[in-house]
Amino acid sequence: DIQMTQSPSAMSASVGDRVTITCRTSQGISDYLAWFQQKPGKVPKRLIYGASKLQSGVPSRFSGSASGIEFTLTISSLQPEDFATYYCLQHYTYPYTFGQGTKLEIK
Amino acid sequence: EVQLVESGGGLVQPGGSLRLSCGATGHSFSNYWMTWVRQAPGKGLEWVANIAPHGSEHYYANSVKGRFTISRDNARSSVFLQMNSLRGEDTALYFCARGIYGESEDYWGQGTLVTVSS
Repeated sequence: DIQMTQSPSAMSASVGDRVTITCRTSQGISDYLAWFQQKPGKVPKRLIYGASKLQSGVPSRFSGSASGIEFTLTISSLQPEDFATYYCLQHYTYPYTFGQGTKLEIK
Repeated sequence: EVQLVESGGGLVQPGGSLRLSCGATGHSFSNYWMTWVRQAPGKGLEWVANIAPHGSEHYYANSVKGRFTISRDNARSSVFLQMNSLRGEDTALYFCARGIYGESEDYWGQGTLVTVSS
């Protein structure tokens, strides 16, 4: 099975900050990785698919990138509505696996 | 508008069974892979199972393999999750989802809560 190591598990940041969240996979998965945002009491929402493709309707401050087995979600300038938990998901091989999540809190 | 509505959750004793349902409206259900994802209280997301549009391919998380069965009825635009030999660690909010992998927009139901406890 592919193991996902997502970091950090939690972080605090301020509005306007640039934030980076990382997922490292235990083996290559090409670009079969998606990023999701989940706010408390809400269902998840996909932000990025194909490792770097922005979902339609998602603000351009969100971006994804990949380098080998390391995948990064970047928020270029945090907005108040971005405080949430973020998850990566690999869908390269079964069983698919989510990262452990990154809780992004207001500093 | 695409809508997914789960049902069938509830309280069940360890070792018991439940069958979750997810009804879909607003799209060509039979064209899409469908997925179950769960979230234990206060915990992260866990991928549970996938079923192909035609229903003949299905895949499971190791934690549920051999105990859970995903199926679908395209005529009724519904996907199901039969859960047997339930354990305490299966306690979670179970989401039905469509299109969470590719380019098309992802859709999620609001979830149905399963509680396994004596």
